[in-house]
Amino acid sequence: GAGVSQSPSNKVTEKGKDVELRCDPISGHTALYWYRQRLGQGLEFLIYFQGNSAPDKSGLPSDRFSAERTGESVSTLTIQRTQQEDSAVYLCASSPGRQNTEAFFGQGTRLTVV
Amino acid sequence: EDKVVQSPLSLVVHEGDTVTLNCSYEVTNFRSLLWYKQEKKAPTFLFMLTSSGIEKKSGRLSSILDKKELFSILNITATQTGDSAIYLCASPRGGANNLFFGTGTRLTVIP
Repeated sequence: GAGVSQSPSNKVTEKGKDVELRCDPISGHTALYWYRQRLGQGLEFLIYFQGNSAPDKSGLPSDRFSAERTGESVSTLTIQRTQQEDSAVYLCASSPGRQNTEAFFGQGTRLTVV
Repeated sequence: EDKVVQSPLSLVVHEGDTVTLNCSYEVTNFRSLLWYKQEKKAPTFLFMLTSSGIEKKSGRLSSILDKKELFSILNITATQTGDSAIYLCASPRGGANNLFFGTGTRLTVIP
């Protein structure tokens, strides 16, 4: 596609439910990133995929968070047993994966846990 | 531990003022520093800096990198209300392309 696409754009869920957030990167981009942004805060790194390499999961805040990516296409971020502190905007970005190339962001998913 | 620190955290100016936003970094295997503008949700790319002392310019925005003192500045001249946003700087972490962001500077331009 022309840009990074994320769905849903907004999600309201009850505490304790599982949620799946989807990211469609720009076609041909080998690198894909997930970030979390709480209200009034900066971008908190969650996970990074680069081609077929093992993902960098060092930013995932707990074992309730996981992410998958099939090849160089769609990625899903799953949050199990959601808590109110999971409420945030979840941003996905992709890049060509070469050195010194910028990342392009999607519009994000605003998750509200009630 | 790698870090990217931005200052000030927030700034309020009047239209027409010039502002300077700061980003200092400590990143292993430093390769580049990037500036983004975030108005609503999606940050949009402004500049990528890889070499010291070479100014990047786009309209009223410009940026420069100092690899000796480990910082970058983003200048905005003749500010407009449309410049109101959060300005983020980032650098790839370690030997990978994993972008690590600072906390951002929230700029508010009032008429």
